[in-house]
Amino acid sequence: AQKVTQAQTEISVVEKEDVTLDCVYETRDTTYYLFWYKQPPSGELVFLIRRNSFDEQNEISGRYSWNFQKSTSSFNFTITASQVVDSAVYFCALSEVYNQGGKLIFGQGTELSVKP
Amino acid sequence: DAGVIQSPRHEVTEMGQEVTLRCKPISGHDYLFWYRQTMMRGLELLIYFNNNVPIDDSGMPEDRFSAKMPNASFSTLKIQPSEPRDSAVYFCASSFSGRSSYEQYFGPGTRLTVT
Repeated sequence: AQKVTQAQTEISVVEKEDVTLDCVYETRDTTYYLFWYKQPPSGELVFLIRRNSFDEQNEISGRYSWNFQKSTSSFNFTITASQVVDSAVYFCALSEVYNQGGKLIFGQGTELSVKP
Repeated sequence: DAGVIQSPRHEVTEMGQEVTLRCKPISGHDYLFWYRQTMMRGLELLIYFNNNVPIDDSGMPEDRFSAKMPNASFSTLKIQPSEPRDSAVYFCASSFSGRSSYEQYFGPGTRLTVT
């Protein structure tokens, strides 16, 4: 069965601190995609990143970075020098591709609060 | 390009009433998904379509829920009769199978409140 676990329900940091959001997934497929979405207080779901199962290279985008490790089935997300605008709920998601059009299995989300 | 469009953005109705949520996917996308978000259950897939055909409706909670996609540019999710426990945010998303990543684009959601 496919499953995504985000063990951290809530995280609170002070501005400029670094913070890592954990994501652990389960799947029997060898080909899959992993995603992170951001849901700010306004409620929309904002795509942040997509990673395929064959690419374990870490990725950095500005203050955001992602660490994908197949050996531990983890896809963790780090925000460097956090800002108040980073306050949101962050969702990790798994997509098993074949014949399913990218159906997403979401984790429960981690609510990040960045205080000034 | 316009993104996924959902209407209404907010809906307040009384228990027992019929509710219809609407979605217009991104033009050219061949997959359409309906998700529901609640505090208790998080984000869960209700049903999805491929080329207007329902593929998997195993997430639909019960017979009170139904979804249709009469054409490639329109889908509805109907709840009849509605109950307070149906209160949630309902998201529609679409994707294109021509992209190997099947990246999904989400609409802004419809916040449903059943009193």
